[in-house]
Amino acid sequence: GESVGLHLPTLSVQEGDNSIINCAYSNSASDYFIWYKQESGKGPQFIIDIRSNMDKRQGQRVTVLLNKTVKHLSLQIAATQPGDSAVYFCAEKILTGGGNKLTFGTGTQLKVEL
Amino acid sequence: EAEVAQSPRYKITEKSQAVAFWCDPISGHATLYWYRQILGQGPELLVQFQDESVVDDSQLPKDRFSAERLKGVDSTLKIQPAELGDSAMYLCASSSDYYQETQYFGPGTRLLVL
Repeated sequence: GESVGLHLPTLSVQEGDNSIINCAYSNSASDYFIWYKQESGKGPQFIIDIRSNMDKRQGQRVTVLLNKTVKHLSLQIAATQPGDSAVYFCAEKILTGGGNKLTFGTGTQLKVEL
Repeated sequence: EAEVAQSPRYKITEKSQAVAFWCDPISGHATLYWYRQILGQGPELLVQFQDESVVDDSQLPKDRFSAERLKGVDSTLKIQPAELGDSAMYLCASSSDYYQETQYFGPGTRLLVL
C-alpha cells in the first residue's frame, strides 16, 4: 500500500486508550469544520463535522471540540481500535456565493499499537 | 451504501502523454468535485461542478488540465500533456447539495508520471 504518512505528524496510542488529534486553523470565516479519515490507498471518509457556532459535538466514539478563541479543533476517539489506524485530516468549509469550499489541513497519522 | 466510483485506480504514463480519469458520483448528487492530493498532504480542489456547469476552476491548471461533466452526471478529468509533477492521487467527491451538504469521496486514481 502507499505510505501517505511519510512526512506527517504521528500519534501512537495503545489499543483501548483514548486518542486526541489536534488541528489549528487560520480562517475565522469558516462556517463548518470537518474531520476526515483516510486509510492507505483510499479516499477520505467523512467522520464528523461541527458548525462554527458550536463548541462541541459528539458522534459514535468520537467527539469534536472547537475553540474559536485560539482557532483550535480537536478530534477525540474513545477506546481506540486497530481499525482506527489511518491519516486524519481536518478541513474548513466556507459557504459562499460560489459554493461549498473545503480547505484541508496537514494530516496526522494515527497508529494503534496492540 | 452508495459510493463514488472512480477509474482507473492506478495509472502509469510517460511525460507528454495524455491521461484521463473518470468519476461517477453518488446517484442524485448534483455537485461534483475533483481534487489532487500530493503524497503526505491534504487534498486540494481543482474544479467544482454544479450539474453540468463549472462553479469553480480557479485552481485548475488550464493550460494542461480540462474537466467536463456533459450530462451533469459522470465526469472526466484530462491532463495533456502530463508532466512529472502531476504524479499524485486524483480524488473525486460529490455532495447532494450545492451549499451545505457533506462531500463524499471516491477511492481515487493514483497517477505516476515517468
